Amino acid sequence: QKEVEQNSGPLSVPEGAIASLNCTYSDRGSQSFFWYRQYSGKSPELIMFIYSNGDKEDGRFTAQLNKASQYVSLLIRDSQPSDSATYLCAVEGDKLIFGTGTRLQVFP
Amino acid sequence: GAVVSQHPSWVICKSGTSVKIECRSLDFQATTMFWYRQFPKQSLMLMATSNEGSKATYEQGVEKDKFLINHASLTLSTLTVTSAHPEDSSFYICSARGIAATDTQYFGPGTRLTVL
Repeated sequence: QKEVEQNSGPLSVPEGAIASLNCTYSDRGSQSFFWYRQYSGKSPELIMFIYSNGDKEDGRFTAQLNKASQYVSLLIRDSQPSDSATYLCAVEGDKLIFGTGTRLQVFP
Repeated sequence: GAVVSQHPSWVICKSGTSVKIECRSLDFQATTMFWYRQFPKQSLMLMATSNEGSKATYEQGVEKDKFLINHASLTLSTLTVTSAHPEDSSFYICSARGIAATDTQYFGPGTRLTVL
């Protein structure tokens, strides 16, 4: 059973702080790694994708991938209340598998 | 950017009826479309993968005779929930991938199905 694990949270951070979201996966053959944001009652929205080991930055978001440790993370700098949502980690090998998500709460 | 639409956005039906959900890629050709289901406070679970012009591939535990998938063109896939029951009530989300196998999946806005 291929799995993607995330802490369900909630992760509460003050506005302006860095939020750190983590994800581990079981399938070593996974090739592509994604972070989605999902607001309640809405469909997932792609935030970032990463294919290679290391860091990838896009605005306030940084994705980090460590294939040896089977670990993916997402850092959100200068967190805003509008970032409050559930963040889904997804890993793709022969198919896209989602984690259960981490609920992030950013308080003013 | 790539846009995927779904119709309807929500539907309420009586137990025993069938419901059809459409998924369209609006500005790109989707060789492959995916159907997911999400129950409250759970993650997205892949139900099936469909390639244009061929039969869908269903995930283990998903009844192919209950969830009929048709992918008749490069821009349209449909999911029909046959003889729906209250336990089928869920959030159904489709996604579409372009011609290249390495293309990102783009998700539709989802369809909320409630079976009474």
